[in-house]
Amino acid sequence: AQSVTQPDIHITVSEGASLELRCNYSYGATPYLFWYVQSPGQGLQLLLKYFSGDTLVQGIKGFEAEFKRSQSSFNLRKPSVHWSDAAEYFCAVGPTGYNKLIFGAGTRLAVHP
Amino acid sequence: SQTIHQWPATLVQPVGSPLSLECTVEGTSNPNLYWYRQAAGRGLQLLFYSVGIGQISSEVPQNLSASRPQDRQFILSSKKLLLSDSGFYLCAWSSPMNTGELFFGEGSRLTVL
Repeated sequence: AQSVTQPDIHITVSEGASLELRCNYSYGATPYLFWYVQSPGQGLQLLLKYFSGDTLVQGIKGFEAEFKRSQSSFNLRKPSVHWSDAAEYFCAVGPTGYNKLIFGAGTRLAVHP
Repeated sequence: SQTIHQWPATLVQPVGSPLSLECTVEGTSNPNLYWYRQAAGRGLQLLFYSVGIGQISSEVPQNLSASRPQDRQFILSSKKLLLSDSGFYLCAWSSPMNTGELFFGEGSRLTVL
């Protein structure tokens, strides 16, 4: 069955520290992979996506993610976190027909000053 | 450029009352349209998707229904709301070319009392 697992429900980091959010997926074919960010009470904004090619993808707001097929992972990273990065982050895999993405449960990031 | 609008942003309704949430996409033709629900502390659950006018597919059995009366309009409805219908509802669109990524509206917060 196709699924996405985000093992960390909550993560707290200090401003300026590095960040890695984990994402593991189960998918029968070569996946499309996405990271979205959601600020409180807002919709989801696409941070980055992987379709094919270079396994290290760059996104907006200084984020990057690395696709590791052998580990079925697509972890999100940022070298130095800003207070404005506090939000909920969702990993997604697809498409499962008509672009129906499967989302993980999300990781809520808190940033200490 | 493409934009997506959802309204109302916030809604408080008594149990047993009807519901209508609307979503409109601008700047694209024949989009795939989606309704997701996000319950507190949980991930995103796909409720309905549509690939064309009048074509609605339901992902989970529930108290809600969806309609697509026009190419770029997607409506989520209920005849009688339940307490369990409370949540954050997100409309999204994607290219009919199935490029994979979804673009989300700002969401509608529904509280059923």
